[in-house]
Amino acid sequence: AQTVTQSQPEMSVQEAETVTLSCTYDTSESDYYLFWYKQPPSRQMILVIRQEAYKQQNATENRFSVNFQKAAKSFSLKISDSQLGDAAMYFCAYSRGGSQGNLIFGKGTKLSVKP
Amino acid sequence: DTAVSQTPKYLVTQMGNDKSIKCEQNLGHDTMYWYKQDSKKFLKIMFSYNNKELIINETVPNRFSPKSPDKAHLNLHINSLELGDSAVYFCASSQGPGPLYEQYFGPGTRLTVT
Repeated sequence: AQTVTQSQPEMSVQEAETVTLSCTYDTSESDYYLFWYKQPPSRQMILVIRQEAYKQQNATENRFSVNFQKAAKSFSLKISDSQLGDAAMYFCAYSRGGSQGNLIFGKGTKLSVKP
Repeated sequence: DTAVSQTPKYLVTQMGNDKSIKCEQNLGHDTMYWYKQDSKKFLKIMFSYNNKELIINETVPNRFSPKSPDKAHLNLHINSLELGDSAVYFCASSQGPGPLYEQYFGPGTRLTVT
């Protein structure tokens, strides 16, 4: 069975600094996708970034980038120039490819941003 | 315009009652989902419908029954509510099934069973 592990229940970063959130996963599939979702206090789940396993290049979205280490089954999220609005729960998620693939979430990391 | 909406946002009820949560999306998507987020923030998929047909049904008690009257709506009915059903329930939709399509989440419904 596929699993997603986020080993950092809480993290803190100073505004304008950089922080990295860790995620590891376990799968025997070759076709899969990885995601980072953000859940601010408003509860709304928002997709931050997505990585296809077959792509070697790390995905980036503005201040958000990932470090995808396929052999190590590691998928960390780097947030640069942290802003107060980045404070939220961050969930790493996995989905195998194909129409039956569904999101499997990690337990989340609560990120605090200090002014 | 809210893309994925849920009603109600908060629901407090007693054990043994039957309740429904409604979800509507105005994105023209074919696929809709229900997720449950427990008190420890753990989020897990419950059901997925594509074109009104059930395609994913995780290990969920029979007391939970989704109903999709049309592609824009996916309602969740819960019979004989138990304390352990207390959670936040999220509806989501996507253009199609599978990870190729981004899922858009609703604001969640916080269900409290007393």
